[in-house]
Amino acid sequence: EADIYQTPRYLVIGTGKKITLECSQTMGHDKMYWYQQDPGMELHLIHYSYGVNSTEKGDLSSESTVSRIRTEHFPLTLESARPSHTSQYLCASTPSGDTQYFGPGTRLTVL
Amino acid sequence: DQQVKQNSPSLSVQEGRISILNCDYTNSMFDYFLWYKKYPAEGPTFLISISSIKDKNEDGRFTVFLNKSAKHLSLHIVPSQPGDSAVYFCAARAQTGANNLFFGTGTRLTVIP
Repeated sequence: EADIYQTPRYLVIGTGKKITLECSQTMGHDKMYWYQQDPGMELHLIHYSYGVNSTEKGDLSSESTVSRIRTEHFPLTLESARPSHTSQYLCASTPSGDTQYFGPGTRLTVL
Repeated sequence: DQQVKQNSPSLSVQEGRISILNCDYTNSMFDYFLWYKKYPAEGPTFLISISSIKDKNEDGRFTVFLNKSAKHLSLHIVPSQPGDSAVYFCAARAQTGANNLFFGTGTRLTVIP
C-alpha cells in the first residue's frame, strides 16, 4: 500500500486568497491524480499526471492548476479561492494504473 | 452522465449477517473494478478489486462478484462487523486515457451490534 500524504487536512480561508494543497507520496509512483468530492456525491477527476513534467486536466472542469516537478510531489493551486471551491480534495497515486491509493484528503472551506 | 451507479444510498445490517452492496455501470470499456471504504473527512481505503476477465474475487470476509453481461457488480461482506460501518464506493477504470477511476455516489453501510 502506498504512503501518500496531504496537507493541510482542513483549511478555512477567505475569498480571493491563493492556496496550495500539498500531496506527496514516497513509493515512487509515476501516476498521480487529484479528485474532488462534494458531500454525498461521487469523486470526480480534476487533474492527473503520468510523471515528471506531465499534467493533464480531468473530466471535471476546475479552475485549479497543478505541477509535477518531482515524482513524489503533486501540488494543487487555486489562484483566487471562491465559495464554489468549497469541497474535499483527494490525491491518489498508482504504481501500475490499476489500484489507486488515496491520501487522507483536504477539506477546503472558502468563506 | 454518471457511468457508475450505486442506487442504494444506505444499508443497515445486523452484526454477523451478510452485507450486499450493489453497483451498476454503463461503459462496456471498463476493464477493472474496485471497492473502496471511506470514513468522513478521510480518503478512500482500497478494499478489493476484480479484473473484467474474472467473475469473482475473494479476500477474507470480502467477496466481489462481476456480471459483465448485466454490467453489475456486488460486494459481499460475511460476517458483517460493526467496524465495517462506513461509506462504500464502487469504482471502475477506463482502459484508455488517464486510466482514471469513475466512482459511484456511495452506499452508507451501518452494521448494528
